[in-house]
Amino acid sequence: DAGVIQSPRHEVTEMGQEVTLRCKPISGHDSLFWYRQTMMRGLELLIYFNNNVPIDDSGMPEDRFSAKMPNASFSTLKIQPSEPRDSAVYFCASTEGSGNTIYFGEGSWLTVV
Amino acid sequence: QKEVEQDPGPLSVPEGAIVSLNCTYSNSAFQYFMWYRQYSRKGPELLMYTYSSGNKEDGRFTAQVDKSSKYISLFIRDSQPSDSATYLCAMMRGNNRLAFGKGNQVVVIP
Repeated sequence: DAGVIQSPRHEVTEMGQEVTLRCKPISGHDSLFWYRQTMMRGLELLIYFNNNVPIDDSGMPEDRFSAKMPNASFSTLKIQPSEPRDSAVYFCASTEGSGNTIYFGEGSWLTVV
Repeated sequence: QKEVEQDPGPLSVPEGAIVSLNCTYSNSAFQYFMWYRQYSRKGPELLMYTYSSGNKEDGRFTAQVDKSSKYISLFIRDSQPSDSATYLCAMMRGNNRLAFGKGNQVVVIP
């Protein structure tokens, strides 16, 4: 299996621009997660989908962040407008069922200048 | 108080030494305990997964859970330079929501 696939791997953008991060979960997995990792706060869960439905978005920092999962094989995380404090590594992860191994992608490294 | 506490200090050890890492947690509802390894510029990958109190061994790695003390540990025996990575503890209540520690960067010096 190809694993969780994220794009872009690296993005540098100017403050105020829209950023869209993309994720393809592992085929057959029914749960998808978006995490953000920073030195200060570590890995934080932003949003969790199950069967394409958002279950918990309490970690989304503010209205500038939105996430969608239009089908079982694709999800996006959008930041509009972006700010320098959004600079972080954003990870997508997926799993099947509950209490099982959660597999992470290689991350999207975002820098907002 | 954060749900999961992991002192994020870096750790340098000579090759062959034992590496000892630990985390504490405050939520007694956590049922699953994991250790993830993250190499530089990569995503976390699951290293060890335990459900109950006690020890679990996998090769050179031992995971220890003490639910009464809300304390988990990871030991790496005969450490190798290839073990150099960041190690993150993680816990879950059975609802697929992982809570992570901040991670320890481990450097094994040849």
